[in-house]
Amino acid sequence: DGGITQSPKYLFRKEGQNVTLSCEQNLNHDAMYWYRQDPGQGLRLIYYSQIVNDFQKGDIAEGYSVSREKKESFPLTVTSAQKNPTAFYLCASAIPTSYNEQFFGPGTRLTVL
Amino acid sequence: QQQVKQSPQSLIVQKGGISIINCAYENTAFDYFPWYQQFPGKGPALLIAIRPDVSEKKEGRFTISFNKSAKQFSLHIMDSQPGDSATYFCAAILETSGSRLTFGEGTQLTVNP
Repeated sequence: DGGITQSPKYLFRKEGQNVTLSCEQNLNHDAMYWYRQDPGQGLRLIYYSQIVNDFQKGDIAEGYSVSREKKESFPLTVTSAQKNPTAFYLCASAIPTSYNEQFFGPGTRLTVL
Repeated sequence: QQQVKQSPQSLIVQKGGISIINCAYENTAFDYFPWYQQFPGKGPALLIAIRPDVSEKKEGRFTISFNKSAKQFSLHIMDSQPGDSATYFCAAILETSGSRLTFGEGTQLTVNP
């Protein structure tokens, strides 16, 4: 089955620890994205990558880092510098000729204690 | 800066009724307007979309109405069903921007049986 996998579904971390969220896709999509979802605020773009070994900051990149070493993978690291990391994180992908339709993964709910 | 404003934040409709969700945008350069549907604990999925050269698009019970002069667009769900209960997000994109979807804040729809 083609799709986007995010793991784990739930993640708990202590304050001050870095944590890496996994995102894998087998759709052969070039573009990948990370969004953060908070109640009443919609989806906000953290980082995106249109091609391997290249990525750009979104609207709320501070306190986050990414890498894009493989087409299939776009991991997101939430660093200790992120002041309010507890949120629902969504990964998405799209083909370059149709950025309009982004396919989303099931999300990871991160809780920092 | 919120470029897409969505209302209402929550909506309760009786089964068989019409659900209406409204969005307003600021950037007149946006050229594609999708709506996403999200069920609890899942990632959003594309529901229906419209381009600004069309005033209305209908797919089954779902219709988008687009008013370019007013910079507004809305989603109408006819004959609303309990299975339509979900969070709905409007979005806008400038296709030449490469990938940056701007989302509204979301509307939580509840359809009572």
